[in-house]
Amino acid sequence: IAGITQAPTSQILAAGRRMTLRCTQDMRHNAMYWYRQDLGLGLRLIHYSNTAGTTGKGEVPDGYSVSRANTDDFPLTLASAVPSQTSVYFCASSHTGGPTDTQYFGPGTRLTVL
Amino acid sequence: LAKTTQPISMDSYEGQEVNITCSHNNIATNDYITWYQQFPSQGPRFIIQGYKTKVTNEVASLFIPADRKSSTLSLPRVSLSDTAVYYCLVTQAAGNKLTFGGGTRVLVKP
Repeated sequence: IAGITQAPTSQILAAGRRMTLRCTQDMRHNAMYWYRQDLGLGLRLIHYSNTAGTTGKGEVPDGYSVSRANTDDFPLTLASAVPSQTSVYFCASSHTGGPTDTQYFGPGTRLTVL
Repeated sequence: LAKTTQPISMDSYEGQEVNITCSHNNIATNDYITWYQQFPSQGPRFIIQGYKTKVTNEVASLFIPADRKSSTLSLPRVSLSDTAVYYCLVTQAAGNKLTFGGGTRVLVKP
């Protein structure tokens, strides 16, 4: 059982380039999430999806977009990367998205924008 | 959103009990309190969740006073492998507006 996988593991990207971070889960969870983690700031929610076909904005959505074409995949796209988007990105999923759900996190993608 | 505040770090020794308190003064009636653990280069992992009073599992205990404006995660008899960052999370019943605290870095010494 893989759980949640993320790709790539790490990436160095020139500013202005487009980048898509991939996230796939095999637990048939309805809800999925993208967080960024920066030193001293903990995890901040970027976007979420409660079910396939729907998405919502989190705390820091600017500069990012997501799509949820099916249950398993939840890609995060940076249309034109900027250095302030240098961070570690974590994808997570949970069964329903309710307040008592346990969120399961992927291993993360370390992104550096130069 | 219910903002959370935790100590930045704390040190302990093997075999001791570690207590981490999280403040969430504006927690809403239907919010839950959840704690996660994170090791370096890994995603967070669920530890425990509660709504009020006390919750205990095989890993930790969670104490929540009647006013629910704070919560305390208790790790009994810690070992070196408990060295990690611990996050307090308030989850809203109405949706996915999740708030992580800044995290508490716990260092367990031999």
